[in-house]
Amino acid sequence: NAGVTQTPKFRVLKTGQSMTLLCAQDMNHEYMYWYRQDPGMGLRLIHYSVGEGTTAKGEVPDGYNVSRLKKQNFLLGLESAAPSQTSVYFCASSRPGSYNEQFFGPGTRLTVL
Amino acid sequence: ELKVEQNPLFLSMQEGKNYTIYCNYSTTSDRLYWYRQDPGKSLESLFVLLSNGAVKQEGRLMASLDTKARLSTLHITAAVHDLSATYFCAVDKNQGAQKLVFGQGTRLTINP
Repeated sequence: NAGVTQTPKFRVLKTGQSMTLLCAQDMNHEYMYWYRQDPGMGLRLIHYSVGEGTTAKGEVPDGYNVSRLKKQNFLLGLESAAPSQTSVYFCASSRPGSYNEQFFGPGTRLTVL
Repeated sequence: ELKVEQNPLFLSMQEGKNYTIYCNYSTTSDRLYWYRQDPGKSLESLFVLLSNGAVKQEGRLMASLDTKARLSTLHITAAVHDLSATYFCAVDKNQGAQKLVFGQGTRLTINP
């Protein structure tokens, strides 16, 4: 099993450009999450999904959109990138239930110039 | 609003020594997770703590949860270099869907 994979691994954008980050998991998990990690701030939840076709806002959703058309995929979109969105983005997935930990992908390092 | 604070944020210690990382949180929760992150890598789950008084141990690491004090500790016994990493605690907001709030992380460096 590949677990949680993310595409791309690195990306440089200019301000105002758009892009989509792809997250895929092969563990048949119901829940999926997008986080951003900034120095000294830990991880912050952007959006999450509790099942195919459903999405919800996390702590820092502004400037991002998501879609979960298939259970195994969770897409994060930036419509008009800003320098403040320079960060490392992690996707995670889990089964329902508090006793189940989240499994994280390898991350995408995004720089917005 | 749930806030999670770890201390210390940076810790440099010698092999063989013991130390404790603290994770304090501001609102009621009985679900706490510890993760490890190596430089440039992803996060790896270490412990899941789901009740007051829960204690989990794996090798030289032991985690505990005191929900009344809103405090979790990660204790390192006889540290070895391989434990050098950043350690995060994360608290569930108890709003369903396992919505986690992470601490800032503790960067642990263990010197030979």
